[in-house]
Amino acid sequence: AQSVTQLDSHVSVSEGTPVLLRCNYSSSYSPSLFWYVQHPNKGLQLLLKYTSAATLVKGINGFEAEFKKSETSFHLTKPSAHMSDAAEYFCVVSDWKTSYDKVIFGPGTSLSVIP
Amino acid sequence: EAQVTQNPRYLITVTGKKLTVTCSQNMNHEYMSWYRQDPGLGLRQIYYSMNVEVTDKGDVPEGYKVSRKEKRNFPLILESPSPNQTSLYFCASSPGRGGSPLHFGNGTRLTVT
Repeated sequence: AQSVTQLDSHVSVSEGTPVLLRCNYSSSYSPSLFWYVQHPNKGLQLLLKYTSAATLVKGINGFEAEFKKSETSFHLTKPSAHMSDAAEYFCVVSDWKTSYDKVIFGPGTSLSVIP
Repeated sequence: EAQVTQNPRYLITVTGKKLTVTCSQNMNHEYMSWYRQDPGLGLRQIYYSMNVEVTDKGDVPEGYKVSRKEKRNFPLILESPSPNQTSLYFCASSPGRGGSPLHFGNGTRLTVT
């Protein structure tokens, strides 16, 4: 069965310091993995996706994530946090080889950026 | 502009009064889905549709209905809303392949008193 664990419900960083948001997943087959960002009172926006190509995926706004199959992880990173990065982040797994419309969201990580 | 449009953005209603939240996409996507978002639980899928006249239950379908009579529209119907359906609702669409990202509407905040 699929599941997604986001290891931190809240992360706080200072502006200009690195960001690490952790995500672990379980899936029966080779999944597609996504990170979405949700700013206050907004819908969800795609940051990046992994679909069995390069294991290091670059996304928008300087974010990137590395797929590690052996660790079943897909952590999101950014070298230097900006105030505009403060938002809710969701890790998502889509197991499309068994039921391609089965999409599971993690519970989310709230990122705060301190000036 | 490619988009998913939900209406209304905010809705306050009373227990038992039927309501419909509309969702429309202009990207010719085959796949559409409804989610509810509750604190600490992330997004949970209510119903999804792989194409016109094809719908299926997600993880939390109780108390909800959907229909897909046209490709672009996927309304969410609450026949008899209850307070535990107070939540933030999102509609999403995608081309339908498993590796395709979802495009989300801006959400509908529903309060049932």
